[in-house]
Amino acid sequence: DQQVKQNSPSLSVQEGRISILNCDYTNSMFDYFLWYKKYPAEGPTFLISISSIKDKNEDGRFTVFLNKSAKHLSLHIVPSQPGDSAVYFCAASAKYSSASKIIFGSGTRLSIRP
Amino acid sequence: DAGVIQSPRHEVTEMGQEVTLRCKPISGHDYLFWYRQTMMRGLELLIYFNNNVPIDDSGMPEDRFSAKMPNASFSTLKIQPSEPRDSAVYFCASSGQGNTDTQYFGPGTRLTVL
Repeated sequence: DQQVKQNSPSLSVQEGRISILNCDYTNSMFDYFLWYKKYPAEGPTFLISISSIKDKNEDGRFTVFLNKSAKHLSLHIVPSQPGDSAVYFCAASAKYSSASKIIFGSGTRLSIRP
Repeated sequence: DAGVIQSPRHEVTEMGQEVTLRCKPISGHDYLFWYRQTMMRGLELLIYFNNNVPIDDSGMPEDRFSAKMPNASFSTLKIQPSEPRDSAVYFCASSGQGNTDTQYFGPGTRLTVL
């Protein structure tokens, strides 16, 4: 049972346009969400996070939106650049539960075309 | 800071052989995680340690898998005997602030079992 779902395995966006990556979760106990970015032959690197007390967090070109009622979050990249081509993993946890751990989605491969 | 170090980067072995993957976490980090990445299941947490003690090994797929952390700077993941379905990329990650905080990943070990 996948608690964190990324239903789009791939996405292609033109350079300069907005990239929107989506993620859904099923566990209502999740209160902390992260996005990781992964280049080929490298490990995932932390990109941005959001706590459930917020509905938006912005860092430069990257913005994460959280809709708790829909159990949905999205990552917006504006404007998209060639270096953004990578696999993006959504992740979630019940941060303040001592028994919790981070659950990752299966990833979305983003390709930025010129 | 050298980051999380994993060895080997690539491992090709034959079915039935023992495989040992190695990880050196970031100095000072108290948490160490082992993940497996496959196309079908994305990033799966196998096991994690806190202060060298295994906390949650519920993700370890079978008794053929075992992990140890003899000291704060070294961990191993062993598969014995290996099977073709174990072929995947195995990541080690470490965190300094908790089991649900930002994790820093190593470059991964790509394992191929023939």
